[in-house]
Amino acid sequence: SAVISQKPSRDICQRGTSLTIQCQVDSQVTMMFWYRQQPGQSLTLIATANQGSEATYESGFVIDKFPISRPNLTFSTLTVSNMSPEDSSIYLCSVLGATSSYEQYFGPGTRLTVT
Amino acid sequence: KQEVTQIPAALSVPEGENLVLNCSFTDSAIYNLQWFRQDPGKGLTSLLLIQSSQREQTSGRLNASLDKSSGRSTLYIAASQPGDSATYLCAGPNSGGGADGLTFGKGTHLIIQP
Repeated sequence: SAVISQKPSRDICQRGTSLTIQCQVDSQVTMMFWYRQQPGQSLTLIATANQGSEATYESGFVIDKFPISRPNLTFSTLTVSNMSPEDSSIYLCSVLGATSSYEQYFGPGTRLTVT
Repeated sequence: KQEVTQIPAALSVPEGENLVLNCSFTDSAIYNLQWFRQDPGKGLTSLLLIQSSQREQTSGRLNASLDKSSGRSTLYIAASQPGDSATYLCAGPNSGGGADGLTFGKGTHLIIQP
């Protein structure tokens, strides 16, 4: 398994501002993913982040709103731009484990509240 | 694209009972299916992963099954304990391959009464 940390663990931000969330893994991984969990809802995939290529976004998510960086095999960032109260969610990163199983492991999440 | 449904949405049982959580999916070519546990305000803990070639996986008091032909998976919890109280999520890859983001069900909120 992989050990994943996220920073910050939580934040309260004003509308119109941006927040960058960091995801750090204790081993090199090829694929990383970012998810959003809105209050009382399940997880929704935002994008897939592969090192050395542009992130691939799911329907309903765009790069201008959620720019992602993946500078190396152990680190990624997700920025939530021009925030509104509707962006209040838990944001989670995950990584793909061994290619033999493709098990996914999740970070502890970042709880974002936009006022 | 995969769609995942979980039944029931919520379940409350006395301590010691055996229980079954249900998960259904639309793409029978599913590569694998993963069960997670989420405690309030926390991230996800992976419980069990079942490969498409497997029918069951066991870990302690947990047993997960996979029936691709019917598009169903179940999570069986034996001798439930108050510490099992959490939301249980099942998820499968968005598309046919394993190296893909996951589509999640809405979860089953489980309460084990002491």
